[in-house]
Amino acid sequence: DVKVTQSSRYLVKRTGEKVFLECVQDMDHENMFWYRQDPGLGLRLIYFSYDVKMKEKGDIPEGYSVSREKKERFSLILESASTNQTSMYLCASSSSGTQYFGPGTRLLVL
Amino acid sequence: GEDVEQSLFLSVREGDSSVINCTYTDSSSTYLYWYKQEPGAGLQLLTYIFSNMDMKQDQRLTVLLNKKDKHLSLRIADTQTGDSAIYFCAVNNAGNMLTFGGGTRLMVKP
Repeated sequence: DVKVTQSSRYLVKRTGEKVFLECVQDMDHENMFWYRQDPGLGLRLIYFSYDVKMKEKGDIPEGYSVSREKKERFSLILESASTNQTSMYLCASSSSGTQYFGPGTRLLVL
Repeated sequence: GEDVEQSLFLSVREGDSSVINCTYTDSSSTYLYWYKQEPGAGLQLLTYIFSNMDMKQDQRLTVLLNKKDKHLSLRIADTQTGDSAIYFCAVNNAGNMLTFGGGTRLMVKP
């Protein structure tokens, strides 16, 4: 069974804080993804990575960065959190098209 | 780019069949997916169909694909209250990328 885990289910941060969201997968997948999900806007791709140290911008990369130092771990970084980054963040991994998702992190920025 | 559309909401009575519909625009789509999202959780892969198939059945789930009309549907037989969730259609067309529909919220009334 594919397992994708995310470091936190719920997170509360203050405006201006640096926030790290971590995602780990145990299936040796090459590709990993970060999405955010907002009511009425569906899933939007922030960044993805197709190999260690490789990253590509998705549809909404502004205000975010990512890090992939090891194959199994993909981190999403909010350099200076803002209230409009309050959202549900979903991580996924894949090797041949089918994406498997983690449980999500609900982030509230005050 | 690819566009994937779903209706927002579907309400059925327990024991009835549910049919959730999805349309897409890119005829070169290879794999088409259905995901289920329960409240506060990540996306769970339900089933998928390859583009050279017309139908796939998996227990209570039946997926129908009409390539000519670019229409995908998910039928849930004998719908239960535990099937209440948001269902996402997703289409794979560019390597490892998926394009998601906006999700259909299924409400099952006892």
